Amino acid sequence: RKEVEQDPGPFNVPEGATVAFNCTYSNSASQSFFWYRQDCRKEPKLLMSVYSSGNEDGRFTAQLNRASQYISLLIRDSKLSDSATYLCVVRASGSARQLTFGSGTQLTVLP
Amino acid sequence: DTGVSQDPRHKITKRGQNVTFRCDPISEHNRLYWYRQTLGQGPEFLTYFQNEAQLEKSRLLSDRFSAERPKGSFSTLEIQRTEQGDSAMYLCASSLATQLETQYFGPGTRLLVL
Repeated sequence: RKEVEQDPGPFNVPEGATVAFNCTYSNSASQSFFWYRQDCRKEPKLLMSVYSSGNEDGRFTAQLNRASQYISLLIRDSKLSDSATYLCVVRASGSARQLTFGSGTQLTVLP
Repeated sequence: DTGVSQDPRHKITKRGQNVTFRCDPISEHNRLYWYRQTLGQGPEFLTYFQNEAQLEKSRLLSDRFSAERPKGSFSTLEIQRTEQGDSAMYLCASSLATQLETQYFGPGTRLLVL
């Protein structure tokens, strides 16, 4: 079983749609959680950190459920520019700060 | 552009050859990481440095792989006797000691082993 598992995707949605991505992690000692965005043939970039209380950044909302070891990302009013691969990322307690990435979920927003 | 640079951006080599990649992190960052990414997968951790000390290596890093960061600034990743399975994107990332959660990735070196 992979340490971080994501929806397989791909997701193809029309502009303006709301789309949600889910992610589960297996290491209960994981302490930090993130969503990264990776455009085609580009490097990953931090989209947002995920906090236990949930957090919002504009059209993006991230939620964490530690009991279920589940992380989600909601994108509202999707734009063409949101088309990318979204990577769920965790860091375990006591690790050397390296990140463990999921395989990513590909999103294409259609005009 | 995150400020992390990698060279070369692309490398094609024949099986059995040695290759070396370079990463220049953001200048004030003392932590440097190497990851490998294959098609359809997320990046996988290979190794990490704090200043010039290599503090952790993944089991993915076979004895054909070696990484250095001699002066605590740029780093090199060498792969000896390349195999076709080494074909991947090799990503470098750096972070500040005070902001360990935020890793900035370079554009990567795409390696193709024929």
